[in-house]
Amino acid sequence: EIVLTQSPATLSLSPGERATLSCRASQSVSTYLAWYQQKPGQAPRLLIYDASKRATGIPARFSGSGSGTDFTLTISSLEPEDFAVYYCQQRNKLTFGGGTRLEIK
Amino acid sequence: QVQLVESGGGVVQPGRSLRLSCAASGFTFNTHAMHWVRQAPGKGLEWVAVMSFDGKNEYYADSVEGRFTISRDNSKNTLFLQMNNLRAEDTAVYYCARDLRKFSYFDSWGQGTLLTVSS
Repeated sequence: EIVLTQSPATLSLSPGERATLSCRASQSVSTYLAWYQQKPGQAPRLLIYDASKRATGIPARFSGSGSGTDFTLTISSLEPEDFAVYYCQQRNKLTFGGGTRLEIK
Repeated sequence: QVQLVESGGGVVQPGRSLRLSCAASGFTFNTHAMHWVRQAPGKGLEWVAVMSFDGKNEYYADSVEGRFTISRDNSKNTLFLQMNNLRAEDTAVYYCARDLRKFSYFDSWGQGTLLTVSS
């Protein structure tokens, strides 16, 4: 089973700063990786799929990169509404990473 | 717009059964595979099951295989999850989610329904 490890567990930043979140797979998933955002009390929302494709309606400040085992979600300039938990997910067995909590510094 | 509304959650004793429903609207239901994903309180996300658009194929997480059954009624735009022999570790918010393509990603989600398994 492919395990996804996200780092850091918690990231403390200020609005306007750049956020870089990491997801590492225990074996190659090619580019079959997605990122989701979840706010408290809400369902997750698809942000990025196939490692770098933005989902419908997702702002351009969100970008994804990587292939194989190492992936990155970048938020170029944090808006107040971006503080949330972020999960990566791969399509083999549809497993998720443990999440990164992005909190206001 | 896409709308997914889950129902059927509640409190149930260990070993008992429950069926969840997910009513879909705003898209052509019978052209999309559909999933159930769950989230235990304060924990991360766990995929549970998927059914193909036509109901011919279904797959399960190891943790629920043999106890849960996914089904759908395309005439009523509804997805179901029959859960038998429930355990305390099945306690979670259960989300239904639409498949983006070929059992890959989840592009729309419902708001979830809470199942609590407790004596």
